[in-house]
Amino acid sequence: KNQVEQSPQSLIILEGKNCTLQCNYTVSPFSNLRWYKQDTGRGPVSLTIMTFSENTKSNGRYTATLDADTKQSSLHITASQLSDSASYICVVSAYSNYQLIWGAGTKLIIKP
Amino acid sequence: DGGITQSPKYLFRKEGQNVTLSCEQNLNHDAMYWYRQDPGQGLRLIYYSQIVNDFQKGDIAEGYSVSREKKESFPLTVTSAQKNPTAFYLCASSMEPRNTGELFFGEGSRLTVL
Repeated sequence: KNQVEQSPQSLIILEGKNCTLQCNYTVSPFSNLRWYKQDTGRGPVSLTIMTFSENTKSNGRYTATLDADTKQSSLHITASQLSDSASYICVVSAYSNYQLIWGAGTKLIIKP
Repeated sequence: DGGITQSPKYLFRKEGQNVTLSCEQNLNHDAMYWYRQDPGQGLRLIYYSQIVNDFQKGDIAEGYSVSREKKESFPLTVTSAQKNPTAFYLCASSMEPRNTGELFFGEGSRLTVL
């Protein structure tokens, strides 16, 4: 069964600190992996899209990594800001049937 | 500015009523989607449309209906047959098919059944 598991469920860190969010998937055949940021009560916004051949991709202070062999991805946030408080959702695309499998998200809270 | 507009932001429904959620986009995207989001769960696809006058059921289409008469518009009707409609509904669009292209989302509509 195609699944996406994210950890931790929630995370609280102090402003200025770094953090790493994890995503494990069992989707096959794999097409791409995406990370979205969703502010409370708003729609998700795309951070990165990674294909099979990409190991690392950055978007400002956000860096996503992908290990297609172990089927794991991580999202690293550097020098966190209060505006980083949001849910971060990992989404994996299955190549064969246009299906997107969504993780439940990690809720990140940045404290001053 | 280009984007996706959903309305209303908040909607309350009595049991037995049908309600329609609006979704309009000016991104000139061919594909549009409706998702449902419940606490602690990943997004679930309700319906999607790749082109005008054509749409397909997603994973949880029962109790919902859609139409795609114009490229810009993809309204979702939550019917009385939907047993648990209280949720956050998200409309999205993409230029390419959903498994390759970036999805652009609206701000969502929160439906509460009284």
